[in-house]
Amino acid sequence: GQQLNQSPQSMFIQEGEDVSMNCTSSSIFNTWLWYKQDPGEGPVLLIALYKAGELTSNGRLTAQFGITRKDSFLNISASIPSDVGIYFCAGQLGETSGSRLTFGEGTQLTVNP
Amino acid sequence: EAGVAQSPRYKIIEKRQSVAFWCNPISGHATLYWYQQILGQGPKLLIQFQNNGVVDDSQLPKDRFSAERLKGVDSTLKIQPAKLEDSAVYLCASSLLPQGKAFFGQGTRLTVV
Repeated sequence: GQQLNQSPQSMFIQEGEDVSMNCTSSSIFNTWLWYKQDPGEGPVLLIALYKAGELTSNGRLTAQFGITRKDSFLNISASIPSDVGIYFCAGQLGETSGSRLTFGEGTQLTVNP
Repeated sequence: EAGVAQSPRYKIIEKRQSVAFWCNPISGHATLYWYQQILGQGPKLLIQFQNNGVVDDSQLPKDRFSAERLKGVDSTLKIQPAKLEDSAVYLCASSLLPQGKAFFGQGTRLTVV
């Protein structure tokens, strides 16, 4: 089945630093989504990407859909303490029969004030 | 706009007992997902509905798990009988279309003792 490899598994950074994390797949996806999950909560959608090469921003967050359609990355600029959490990538093939969202294992981000 | 509602938030049961979870998706969302998230892992799809029809239940352990979505709105997920390894957070998500942004509820944390 489809597998997503997300790296790094964890990151410890200082407030104000920029962060980069990525996700790679053995299969092609037509949609990439990035989520953030706080303890005890469900994942919250951050950014959705629908086209190879697409670069999309949401405030201090920027994500890109890789040209090969097998990877995506998420950047966070000027990190703040509330950025702490687990970031998940999710890929989707598309259309009803193949629209399962497959998740990576997550990147745990810790921001030291 | 109201988000995805799930209940209960927490449930503790003994192994071999039964349990049911309820989900009310965002109004108008035709696609509904149930995910299982084991501690330290990314969410794994159990079942996906399009309106009241199942489009993907390939990863649902059908000998003990069942789900239904009557009238294409609310959904229930049942486990009978529960095993220790079923301890996890059960997340419900919905989306307007089969492909694209999926929005998650807060989840139900199940502990099987």
